[in-house]
Amino acid sequence: SYVVTQPPSVSVAPGKTARITCGGNNIGSKGVHWYQQKPGQAPVLVIYYDTDRPSGIPERFSGSNSGNTATLTISRVEAGDEADYYCQVWDNSGDLVVFGGGTKLTFL
Amino acid sequence: QMQLVQSGAEVKKPGSSVRVSCKASGGSFSRDAVSWVRQAPGQGLEWMGGFTPILRTPTYAQKFQGRLTIAVDESTNTAYMELSTLRSEDTAVYYCARWVQAGNHWFDPWGQGTLVTVSS
Repeated sequence: SYVVTQPPSVSVAPGKTARITCGGNNIGSKGVHWYQQKPGQAPVLVIYYDTDRPSGIPERFSGSNSGNTATLTISRVEAGDEADYYCQVWDNSGDLVVFGGGTKLTFL
Repeated sequence: QMQLVQSGAEVKKPGSSVRVSCKASGGSFSRDAVSWVRQAPGQGLEWMGGFTPILRTPTYAQKFQGRLTIAVDESTNTAYMELSTLRSEDTAVYYCARWVQAGNHWFDPWGQGTLVTVSS
């Protein structure tokens, strides 16, 4: 079955840009979706279909996907952005829905 | 805007079953698909399966085949997830989510989660 890999943690200074990666074989040919999960809360969709933002998600959140890596970029990181971030793909073979292991975004 | 409200926390004995409900407002399970995702303590997200109204049939992840039942009651706009033969490893927060199927598949919004604890 398809496997996607995320770094366990990413650290960033407040006000700087954070980049969280999601790796997979030819992941650029699949749509990648990103979720933010704060402690004790349900996940929230922040990017769908590689680059699209749901209504209510700040423009500081953006996504890209090419080759073997998809990336969630958070510009001008704020205190409220500290959370776990999960990528997710649809794989129409195997188990259909695949989540990455999650990346914890923390401040330096 | 669809909102999903789940039933409350459960404590179950090993070998028993649990049923969690997910009631929708501002949307309809007769039109929208629903999925269930679980998260063990300190762990990541794990997709369990879902129900698609067009197909009127559930889809299950291989890991849960034979132990999981997902159903939808359109008259009450409520989805249900029942997991049987519970073991300690099934202790987790269980989430329902609207399963968006639009050329690709993603989940939005999510319910608040239901903690299921399996303990003797």
